[in-house]
Amino acid sequence: TQLLEQSPQFLSIQEGENLTVYCNSSSVFSSLQWYRQEPGEGPVLLVTVVTGGEVKKLKRLTFQFGDARKDSSLHITAAQPGDTGLYLCAGAGQAGTALIFGKGTTLSVSS
Amino acid sequence: GAGVSQSPRYKVAKRGQDVALRCDPISGHVSLFWYQQALGQGPEFLTYFQNEAQLDKSGLPSDRFFAERPEGSVSTLKIQRTQQEDSAVYLCASTTSWETQYFGPGTRLLVL
Repeated sequence: TQLLEQSPQFLSIQEGENLTVYCNSSSVFSSLQWYRQEPGEGPVLLVTVVTGGEVKKLKRLTFQFGDARKDSSLHITAAQPGDTGLYLCAGAGQAGTALIFGKGTTLSVSS
Repeated sequence: GAGVSQSPRYKVAKRGQDVALRCDPISGHVSLFWYQQALGQGPEFLTYFQNEAQLDKSGLPSDRFFAERPEGSVSTLKIQRTQQEDSAVYLCASTTSWETQYFGPGTRLLVL
């Protein structure tokens, strides 16, 4: 069974701080996706990383896929209150199979 | 274009009652997934359709759960004889690419 472990589970920081969220597995994935989910809404895709060692930047967010395609990280620079939400990583295996989600990291950024 | 829509957004059911949850995927999306999300947790896979064919239902927790997509578009997830442990958010996602799934807002089910 493929599992994705996310850490930390909860993170409460002040505006302007930096943070990193980790997503680890013993399994290899074809790709890893990061989603952000706000209360009362469905997850919204932030990025998909496909190639081992790949780094993608989305404004203040930096996503990295491990060389072995088993782990990923999300780094947020100068966090803002608008970054508050549940961050989920999800691994994709073979075509036509469901995404495997981690349990998520609940981020709270206070001003 | 419209995104994935789900209805109802909230449902309160008495234990033992049957419920039906609807998903309207993005037009033209062949694949449709149902997930169950417990409070503070990540979504967990329930079932997957490609057009009208249900290709994987391995995530359905019991035979009280049934899903259909008869015309390859709208899908309905039905839960019979609801139990308190069925309380969760039920998410629907559709996609043309099996990697990039677009999620609806979910249906929040509370079983009393």
